[in-house]
Amino acid sequence: EAGVAQSPRYKIIEKRQSVAFWCNPISGHATLYWYQQILGQGPKLLIQFQNNGVVDDSQLPKDRFSAERLKGVDSTLKIQPAKLEDSAVYLCASSPGNIYEQYFGPGTRLTVT
Amino acid sequence: GNSVTQMEGPVTLSEEAFLTINCTYTATGYPSLFWYVQYPGEGLQLLLKATKADDKGSNKGFEATYRKETTSFHLEKGSVQVSDSAVYFCALWSDYKLSFGAGTTVTVRA
Repeated sequence: EAGVAQSPRYKIIEKRQSVAFWCNPISGHATLYWYQQILGQGPKLLIQFQNNGVVDDSQLPKDRFSAERLKGVDSTLKIQPAKLEDSAVYLCASSPGNIYEQYFGPGTRLTVT
Repeated sequence: GNSVTQMEGPVTLSEEAFLTINCTYTATGYPSLFWYVQYPGEGLQLLLKATKADDKGSNKGFEATYRKETTSFHLEKGSVQVSDSAVYFCALWSDYKLSFGAGTTVTVRA
């Protein structure tokens, strides 16, 4: 079974630029999560989708971050404009339902200079 | 709110040494508890879990016991290998969310 795919794996941008990350969850998984993992910290949930609807985006900085899940499958997370403090690893995870057993992708490491 | 506090690293050990990583939590109700592992260049993987008090989770020689009285879920392994070098995260599931600790980097030397 293929795992959660993410791209790109690494991205370096300057502050105030835009960036987008892509995630392809495990086939059939209804729930998709985006996490932000700042160096030295644990992952923090940014947004959770159930199929193509948003369940929780309470910790998403909506003035600069946006996310969508197309047709309940792939998802993109966008940052516009980026700030230095957005440097982090962005993790995508999926699960069959709203349960604890989440499967994580390898992450995208973003460096904002 | 829910939170997880785990032992700061990094931790460096020799092969066959005993490993303990402390984890304590704060949560409302009765959370489920987990240890996740992140090997270099890979995503987080669920290592073990415990869903109620006094449960013991185990996998790959690692163990952790859910201690409600001390709100703890310490990870242990009796004899580590070089392949156990990774970052270990303690986490809890409550209110339909996973909350993670900061992670502990473990390096095992041959």
